[in-house]
Amino acid sequence: VQLLESGGGSVQPGGSLRLSCAASGFTFKNYAMNWVRQAPGKGLEWVSIISGSGRDAHYADSVQGRFTISRDNSKNIFYLQMNSLRAEDTAVYYCAKGQDIAATIAVIDNWGQGTLVTVSS
Amino acid sequence: SYVLTQPPSVSVAPKETATIPCGGNNIGRKSVHWYQQKPGQAPVLVIDYDSDRPSGIPERFSGSNSGNMATLTISRVEAGDEADYYCQVWDSDSNHGVFGTGTKVTVL
Repeated sequence: VQLLESGGGSVQPGGSLRLSCAASGFTFKNYAMNWVRQAPGKGLEWVSIISGSGRDAHYADSVQGRFTISRDNSKNIFYLQMNSLRAEDTAVYYCAKGQDIAATIAVIDNWGQGTLVTVSS
Repeated sequence: SYVLTQPPSVSVAPKETATIPCGGNNIGRKSVHWYQQKPGQAPVLVIDYDSDRPSGIPERFSGSNSGNMATLTISRVEAGDEADYYCQVWDSDSNHGVFGTGTKVTVL
């Protein structure tokens, strides 16, 4: 299993970024995918999950209405569109493979190395 | 929203046993998963579904879950076990994933 994030960088408050995660080594459509973030020196925070089919998605309250998760099963890639970014969104964002196809199973069995998003003026 | 509480730190001597609690309301009714994160690295799953060990995880790692407390136990602690440990559940009431606050394990 390989998960490779891209798209991180620096952005001003109110701006947008789209993170991508390219997956390989497993049958992508059969597994839910997550985004998990970690602010500098802080703990893990679950951000969002999308089911294997892409039909179901859930979001943390802190990003609901600003972030959108999506996936392209034909390309083995999933995304996190982040709008209206705030300073408190500054974090390393990890893409993470779920252990099940459903978007209601928490367990994560593989993680990417993370991409840093910095929101600052 | 559902909250998982862990002590900020646990210290243990080599070859001794480390016990890491994770408290949550009726957590015994949920499936708890545990992750190990070493500095500068991505987390690694060490226990899933309360007490199952993924392939490659040493038998020294074990888990339990009952009532309002889940526990990760590391037996015969080694220097390489020094890391942050996080518990995790799915909260079906809110449809949110939830991580615990994290515990830093220090090997003396």
